[in-house]
Amino acid sequence: ETGVTQSPTHLIKTRGQQVTLRCSSQSGHNTVSWYQQALGQGPQFIFQYYREEENGRGNFPPRFSGLQFPNYSSELNVNALELDDSALYLCASSYDRGIYGYTFGSGTRLTVV
Amino acid sequence: AQSVTQLGSHVSVSEGALVLLRCNYSSSVPPYLFWYVQYPNQGLQLLLKYTSAATLVKGINGFEAEFKKSETSFHLTKPSAHMSDAAEYFCAVSVSGGTSYGKLTFGQGTILTVHP
Repeated sequence: ETGVTQSPTHLIKTRGQQVTLRCSSQSGHNTVSWYQQALGQGPQFIFQYYREEENGRGNFPPRFSGLQFPNYSSELNVNALELDDSALYLCASSYDRGIYGYTFGSGTRLTVV
Repeated sequence: AQSVTQLGSHVSVSEGALVLLRCNYSSSVPPYLFWYVQYPNQGLQLLLKYTSAATLVKGINGFEAEFKKSETSFHLTKPSAHMSDAAEYFCAVSVSGGTSYGKLTFGQGTILTVHP
């Protein structure tokens, strides 16, 4: 059974640029969620996709967007990067919208300079 | 809306001593509760979960937690700490209804240090 894999592991971008982060869900999972974890903080919910449709969104601006593909892999896109977007971005997958818990990837460390 | 409060951002214990990490939650509907562990530069690993079955939940690596509805608590314990337990621990809550279905709300985390 494969776990959740994220790419890239580290990324440095300039303020104002756009970035795409990728996530491959665990086999058999139809739900993916993205979380932002700033340094020294707990993860904050960005949004969730269930069977390719957005199924919930946290308190993040529209420049944070996502996609879930038919194979249940996912992307997180962030436009007009700001310095405060620097964080660890975690992808998590589950079955049935995650009510019984998620499997997390190792994350993408994004640094905006 | 749900919320989680973890009491103590840092906990330090000696190897072999009891580990107690505190978590209190707030939820207007019956919650599902989770404890995750995060090692440096890694993602989150599920330790255990409460999903409305037994109130005493056993997890991996010798950890357990007890759901106490009257106290709105879900404290994590381990009888004897090991050096390898040093990590950051997160308590999280989710619910099975409404627009927050399945969304995890995390506490701020507790860093556990284990001394030889």
